[in-house]
Amino acid sequence: DGGITQSPKYLFRKEGQNVTLSCEQNLNHDAMYWYRQDPGQGLRLIYYSQIVNDFQKGDIAEGYSVSREKKESFPLTVTSAQKNPTAFYLCASSRSTDTQYFGPGTRLTVL
Amino acid sequence: AQKITQTQPGMFVQEKEAVTLDCTYDTSDQSYGLFWYKQPSSGEMIFLIYQGSYDEQNATEGRYSLNFQKARKSANLVISASQLGDSAMYFCAMREVQTGANNLFFGTGTRLTVIP
Repeated sequence: DGGITQSPKYLFRKEGQNVTLSCEQNLNHDAMYWYRQDPGQGLRLIYYSQIVNDFQKGDIAEGYSVSREKKESFPLTVTSAQKNPTAFYLCASSRSTDTQYFGPGTRLTVL
Repeated sequence: AQKITQTQPGMFVQEKEAVTLDCTYDTSDQSYGLFWYKQPSSGEMIFLIYQGSYDEQNATEGRYSLNFQKARKSANLVISASQLGDSAMYFCAMREVQTGANNLFFGTGTRLTVIP
């Protein structure tokens, strides 16, 4: 089955810790994206990558970092610099400028 | 300024009836794309329908249709014959092609509840 997987589904972090959210796709898509969703809000773009070894900041990149070493993988690290990291994180992928398809999401809670 | 505005925080519809979810957008680009996604309580975002700014016909996908009125900058989603499984959050989103990236701008969503 082709699709996008995100792990873990739920993640708890202590203040001051870095955590990494996984996103993998086997759709052979070139582009991948990370969004953040807060309660009652739409999605906001954190980072995106259009090709391997290249990525750009989105609207709310501060406190986050990414890497794109493989076409299939686009992990997101939430660093201790992110002051309010509790949110729902969604990863998406697409063929260049085509429709974006989303993974099931990771819910991050800071304790 | 908000690029996507969804003015209906919540909507109710009787099962088997049709419902329209409103979406207005703001862009100065001539080339753009409009999307609707469904988000059930489980959280994943499910792509429903797409309309390109140059498409002359309104997009349709099964029970979903997009009422595209370019002059009014509106892209309303129409769901026909509502089912209980349609209860979810619905998000309108826009892509501005001119930026060269495929980034989406999302509205704040409408929660649809289908009543048996």
